[in-house]
Amino acid sequence: EIVLTQSPATLSLSPGERATLSCRASQSVSNSLAWYQQKPGQAPRLLISSASNRATDIPARFSGSGSGTDFTLTISSLEPEDFAVYYCQQGSNWPWTFGQGTKVETK
Amino acid sequence: QVQLVESGGGVVQPEGSLRLSCAASGLTFITYAMHWVRQAPGKGLEWVAFIRFDGTNKYYEDSVKGRFTISRDNSKNTLYLQMNSLRTEDTAIYYCARDNYGLDYWGQGTLVTVSS
Repeated sequence: EIVLTQSPATLSLSPGERATLSCRASQSVSNSLAWYQQKPGQAPRLLISSASNRATDIPARFSGSGSGTDFTLTISSLEPEDFAVYYCQQGSNWPWTFGQGTKVETK
Repeated sequence: QVQLVESGGGVVQPEGSLRLSCAASGLTFITYAMHWVRQAPGKGLEWVAFIRFDGTNKYYEDSVKGRFTISRDNSKNTLYLQMNSLRTEDTAIYYCARDNYGLDYWGQGTLVTVSS
């Protein structure tokens, strides 16, 4: 099974700051990587698919990059509604797997 | 608009069974693969199972293989998860999700609690 390791576990930032989240795969997943945002009490929301494609209605401040084993989700300028937990997920090999999550919290 | 509505969760004893349902509307259900994903209380997301649009291919997370069965009835626009031999570690919110270049629509989830 492919293990996804996200870092850092927690990111403490202020609104307006740039957030950089990392996801590393234990073996290559090519570009079969997605990012999700989850707020308390809500289902996850797809942000990015195929490593760098923004999903429908996702603001341009969210961007994804990377391929192979190293991926990054960048939020260019944090809005108050962006404080949440973010997960990466690989769809290259079965079983699909998720990273353990990065919590973006208010500093 | 696309809606996925899970049902069937509840409290069950260890070794018991439950069948979850996911009713889909607002989409051409037969054209999409579907997944189940779960989340234990206070924990992260865990992928559980996949079924192809026509039901011909299925995949499972290792810990549920042989105990859980994913299925679908395209005539009823409904996805199922039959869960047998339940364990305490299966306690979680179970979400169904549509596969469309990522999991682009999710239900609100249904809580399964396995406890004696």
